[in-house]
Formats: sequence, C-alpha cells, structure tokens
Amino acid sequence: AQSVTQPDIHITVSEGASLELRCNYSYGATPYLFWYVQSPGQGLQLLLKYFSGDTLVQGIKGFEAEFKRSQSSFNLRKPSVHWSDAAEYFCAVGPMDTGRRALTFGSGTRLQVQP
Amino acid sequence: DTGVSQDPRHKITKRGQNVTFRCDPISEHNRLYWYRQTLGQGPEFLTYFQNEAQLEKSRLLSDRFSAERPKGSFSTLEIQRTEQGDSAMYLCASSLGTGAALTYEQYFGPGTRLTVT
Repeated sequence: AQSVTQPDIHITVSEGASLELRCNYSYGATPYLFWYVQSPGQGLQLLLKYFSGDTLVQGIKGFEAEFKRSQSSFNLRKPSVHWSDAAEYFCAVGPMDTGRRALTFGSGTRLQVQP
Repeated sequence: DTGVSQDPRHKITKRGQNVTFRCDPISEHNRLYWYRQTLGQGPEFLTYFQNEAQLEKSRLLSDRFSAERPKGSFSTLEIQRTEQGDSAMYLCASSLGTGAALTYEQYFGPGTRLTVT
C-alpha cells in the first residue's frame, strides 16, 4: 500500500527566509503528487500538483515543488516566506494504476513564521 | 461562490445521537469524496461517489456510517449512534471525472467539525 511521510511535524522560519518542506512517498510506480495547505479550522487548498513531465512544478502563492524519482520525494519550496504562509501543509499521493481514486495524505507539517 | 460547500460547519452532539452532514460539490464535478481528519493528522479517505454510484468505501467506514448521493449532485454523510471516537473534521471534496489525472485533482470544502460529548 502506498504511504506518505512528512518527516517534519513542525517548522519555524523567519519571515523572508526560504522554506523547504519534505515529503517522501512509498509506492511502486510514479504516483500523482499534490501539496495542500490548511489554515486553522479550514478545509484544504490545493497549492500545486505533479502528474508528469517537467519535474519542477509551480503553484499558487509563490510555491514550487520538485519531484525526484530517485529519492521518492516531492519537496515543497518557497524562496521567501510571508507571515500569511503560517498554516499546516499536507503532501498527498494518488495511485495511477490501481483504479482507486482516494488520495493518501501525509500527517502534515505545521509552519510557524516568526516576524 | 463556486467552491465546495458543507453544512453545518460545526456540530456538537451527545453520544448515541445520529448526525447528518451535507456536501455540495463544485457544480460540474461528477466525483465526490468524503474524508475524515482527526487532530494532528492528515485526512483519511472514507468513501467516493461517481455521479450517484458509491464506488469505493474505506474500512474506516463502519456500519454506523452511511453516505448517499441520490441525484448525483449533493451528498449526505450520516453517522448513527455517535461515539466519542467519531469526533473529527469531516471533509468533502470533488473532482472532474474526465481522465485519471483530473480525478485525483480534488477540491475540498471547509469541513464539518463534529464534537461528540
């Protein structure tokens, strides 16, 4: 069964600093990959997705992510963090070839932004 | 507003009571999903509809849970005889059905937070 690991439960960065959130997946083939953001008490907003092609994908709010097949990783990055980026971030995978349609989520990384 | 909507946003109930939640997906999306999220965890899949057909159910969906999508539009999730362990955020998502990739591009509603006392 596929699984998603987000090794960092909580990250604190200073406003204006760069950010990288880690995501590793376990799956037999290349899955569809997603990053979502969740503000307190809210639903999830899709930041970006990878289906195929260029391994560096751009998303909303200045985020990007890079798919690395050799490392089974899909890390999220942002060059300069804003205070409004403080939220919880979830990596998710969707299996391409099993017929299932559910996303499997990691347990999330909570981002705190210091002024 | 053309996003996914859920009602109610919050529900407090006593153990043993039945509760029902509603989800209205994005209008052109024919696939609808329910997930459950507990504190400090990512969402976990419960069930999935394509139009009115319920095509997949998770083992998390015990026989106290039932979901319907009678006309292929809105969906309801009912929990009978609620237990304290049912306390969670219940999230609804929808997606287009045209092609596998778009199926996985799911858009989420704001969720219904259930507290069972």
